[in-house]
Amino acid sequence: EIVLTQSPATLSLSPGERATLSCRARQSVSRYLAWYQQKPGQAPRLLIYDASNRAAGIPARFSGSGSGTDFTLTISSLEPEDFAVYYCQQRSNWPLTFGGGTKVEIK
Amino acid sequence: QVQLQGSGPGLVKPSQALSLTCTVSGGSISSDDYYWSWIRQHPGKGLEWIGYIYYSGSTYYNPSLKSRVTISVDTSKNQFSLQLASVTAADTAVYYCARDRYDILTGYYYGMDVWGQGTTVTVSS
Repeated sequence: EIVLTQSPATLSLSPGERATLSCRARQSVSRYLAWYQQKPGQAPRLLIYDASNRAAGIPARFSGSGSGTDFTLTISSLEPEDFAVYYCQQRSNWPLTFGGGTKVEIK
Repeated sequence: QVQLQGSGPGLVKPSQALSLTCTVSGGSISSDDYYWSWIRQHPGKGLEWIGYIYYSGSTYYNPSLKSRVTISVDTSKNQFSLQLASVTAADTAVYYCARDRYDILTGYYYGMDVWGQGTTVTVSS
């Protein structure tokens, strides 16, 4: 099983600030990595697929980068609706696995 | 616009089987690039992938649950289902169905792009 480690666990920022979230895989997942946003009481929403491609309808302030074992999700300027929990997920190897999540909270 | 609607009992007794169904609307479950997944989330915790099924009936399960999980598909009803046997309190969670898109020909992964609303299942006597 490929373990994904997300850091930090919590990120305290103000609206307008830049958020940088990390996801590290214990072994290479190539580019088979996706990012999701989850708000309380809601299902996760796909943000980024194939490591760096924005899903349909996702604002340009969200960007993904990386390949192999190190990945980053960047939110260039936080909007009030961006405060949520973010998960990375790999599909390189079975079983599919998710990271533990990063909570982006209002400072 | 494809939508997924999960359904099933919200309360299951210990040692019994949990049974959930996900109905696909706005598109066909019999599409080449899609794998139909079940994911769960324990209260206050992260996401755990349970397994998926292809419309042909091919399945893959998380080894941590494999001995208790069965995922099936009914293409005539555009539905797929989850059965989890011998549940305990540790199976109390929100269960999501999701569409996972992977192009086997190009090797391109598009992510889990459509999710159901989630079904809360409590295991309790």
